[in-house]
Amino acid sequence: DAGVIQSPRHEVTEMGQEVTLRCKPISGHNSLFWYRQTMMRGLELLIYFNNNVPIDDSGMPEDRFSAKMPNASFSTLKIQPSEPRDSAVYFCASTGGRNEKLFFGSGTQLSVL
Amino acid sequence: GNSVTQMEGPVTLSEEAFLTINCTYTATGYPSLFWYVQYPGEGLQLLLKATKADDKGSNKGFEATYRKETTSFHLEKGSVQVSDSAVYFCALLYSSASKIIFGSGTRLSIRP
Repeated sequence: DAGVIQSPRHEVTEMGQEVTLRCKPISGHNSLFWYRQTMMRGLELLIYFNNNVPIDDSGMPEDRFSAKMPNASFSTLKIQPSEPRDSAVYFCASTGGRNEKLFFGSGTQLSVL
Repeated sequence: GNSVTQMEGPVTLSEEAFLTINCTYTATGYPSLFWYVQYPGEGLQLLLKATKADDKGSNKGFEATYRKETTSFHLEKGSVQVSDSAVYFCALLYSSASKIIFGSGTRLSIRP
C-alpha cells in the first residue's frame, strides 16, 4: 500500500489567496484526520471524519478553514482567504480500526507570505 | 479535560546513553497510551502503545510502562543511537472518544 498521500508537499502563496490541500487515505480506512503542526502550538487536531462524515470540527480555527470528504478515498482542507499565521505543516492521517494506530501522510508545508 | 504533558526539549545525548522522556496524562477513566515518533521531513508513526494499567509497550529497544498510580507513561531506551534522533510525541486515546490527543513533542538529538 502506498500509505496516506498528501499533495502538494510544499505550497507557497500570498496572503488573501485560496489554498487547497489534498489527502488520499489508505484504502479501506474509515476515519480521516487533519492536523496542523507549528513550533508554537505543536500538533493540533483540526477536524476528523468517520465514514466520510465530519464528526468533530471543534479544532478548526475559524470560518476561513473548511474541510470536505466527498468519498472514502479523498479529502480536502481549504483556507480562504489565507493569512501569514496559517503557515504551518498540515498533516492528514487515517485509520481503519478503533483509531488506536494512526497512519500519517508526509505533510504539506504551507507558507503564506 | 483530557490532556498530555511531556518534558520540553530539546534533549541532547551522546550515543549509547540512557534515555528517558517523561510523559504524564490527565484523563477520566482508562485511556490507551501511545508514543509516536516523527523523523525529519516525515509524518508521525506509531512507536509503541499500552492499553491498560501495568502494560508495557516496547519496540525498537524503546519501552514505556502504563502507570495508573502516577498517571505516567515515560519513554525509555537503554542505549540510544544517532538514528534515534527525532521528535517523540506522547498521546492518549480516551475510550469513549474517537480522537487521539498528542503532547507537544520532545525533540531528541543524539551525538555520535
